[in-house]
Amino acid sequence: DTAVSQTPKYLVTQMGNDKSIKCEQNLGHDTMYWYKQDSKKFLKIMFSYNNKELIINETVPNRFSPKSPDKAHLNLHINSLELGDSAVYFCASSHIFNSPLHFGNGTRLTVT
Amino acid sequence: LAKTTQPISMDSYEGQEVNITCSHNNIATNDYITWYQQFPSQGPRFIIQGYKTKVKNEVASLFIPADRKSSTLSLPRVSLSDTAVYYCLVGDVSGTYKYIFGTGTRLKVLA
Repeated sequence: DTAVSQTPKYLVTQMGNDKSIKCEQNLGHDTMYWYKQDSKKFLKIMFSYNNKELIINETVPNRFSPKSPDKAHLNLHINSLELGDSAVYFCASSHIFNSPLHFGNGTRLTVT
Repeated sequence: LAKTTQPISMDSYEGQEVNITCSHNNIATNDYITWYQQFPSQGPRFIIQGYKTKVKNEVASLFIPADRKSSTLSLPRVSLSDTAVYYCLVGDVSGTYKYIFGTGTRLKVLA
């Protein structure tokens, strides 16, 4: 019944590795997002997709590549992981512009 | 882009009413104001949304003055479980789905 689900919940990996985080929403929303929350708890938008089309790419290194196979899924692939990528990554979705965001419970990525 | 400013932290005691004010001087005509609550190890959760005047639901009230340059989230009779970070957001003026989170207000409810 989880509205926005992310996997995995925890991800520990070494520098230089490639990893993916998956997100699925069962709310029928058209728009999905990735946010990054750093150690100081700032939430920064990374990407936004509307109907599988990328509409926001917020100055994120091109090591980060989102992919939306359909409206219900938005995955995040990260190449050549760096220490500074350690953070909690949140997936979210919304119905229409200005409608509330629904967040997943986050993926805590630790790069060693 | 509308930017929000909130107090960094607040303390309150159980049973008190808590008011958290957010400034958004550059709010655009079409922007809505939305508040979220975040507990540790969880994603932010929608609390309330409004455009003008007053909105109320079972969890909170939202007061928005006529000029809409600020808003106040009111939590009635808080309990320990209301300890969380509260974020105020305004919608992006260009409609590009870019919801910008501010620093949030860390509310600590004391027994």
